[in-house]
Amino acid sequence: EFVLTQSPGTLSLSPGERATLSCRASQSVSNSYLAWYQQKPGQAPRLLIYGASSRATGIPDRFSGSGSGTDFTLTISRLEPEDFAVYFCQQYGSSPPYIFGQGTKLEIK
Amino acid sequence: QVQLQESGPGLVKPSETLSLTCSVSGGSVSNYYWSWIRRPAGKGLEWIGRIYSSGNTNYNPSLKSRVTMSVDMSKNQISLKLRSVTAADTAVYYCARGEDIRKFDYWGQGTLVTVSS
Repeated sequence: EFVLTQSPGTLSLSPGERATLSCRASQSVSNSYLAWYQQKPGQAPRLLIYGASSRATGIPDRFSGSGSGTDFTLTISRLEPEDFAVYFCQQYGSSPPYIFGQGTKLEIK
Repeated sequence: QVQLQESGPGLVKPSETLSLTCSVSGGSVSNYYWSWIRRPAGKGLEWIGRIYSSGNTNYNPSLKSRVTMSVDMSKNQISLKLRSVTAADTAVYYCARGEDIRKFDYWGQGTLVTVSS
């Protein structure tokens, strides 16, 4: 069974700090097929990163994605107040074609 | 700006059929992939299925026997039917658009469906 494991479950940081979120796959993932999303309470999820490292339209350049194989990272270089939210990764693969990580909650310290 | 809005009954009885609609505004349903995704309380996201605007479908094998998705081009809507529901189907249901099969570029806010008698 293919699993995406995100860590940490909760990350407590202050505005202005750097955030590093991890997404680890149980099997190798093609870089083209790894995406990151942001979700705030009561809002629709928003696509941030696709293809492991490409920013979606309108996403600020403080958001960056990296990684390959089984280890992927979302980095927010300098946290803004509006960045505190839940982040989850997603891979496209075999069957079922879409698997999601359980999410990392980024909270204000 | 593309917006997706899920709608449908918030309460469904066990063994009945869950029916949801995703209304698309600010864009067309044509030439896109449309997925339904759900999140049971306290659990992670689960992909339910996908339909292309042409009508081609792919369903999660774990739900395939109970799921039907369709597209209504005249209404710019996508629909989901999930038959023979149980309490395990209680979840927030999202619709999402994919401009390609790899990712979801727009999502709805989600709608909570509770299965209970």
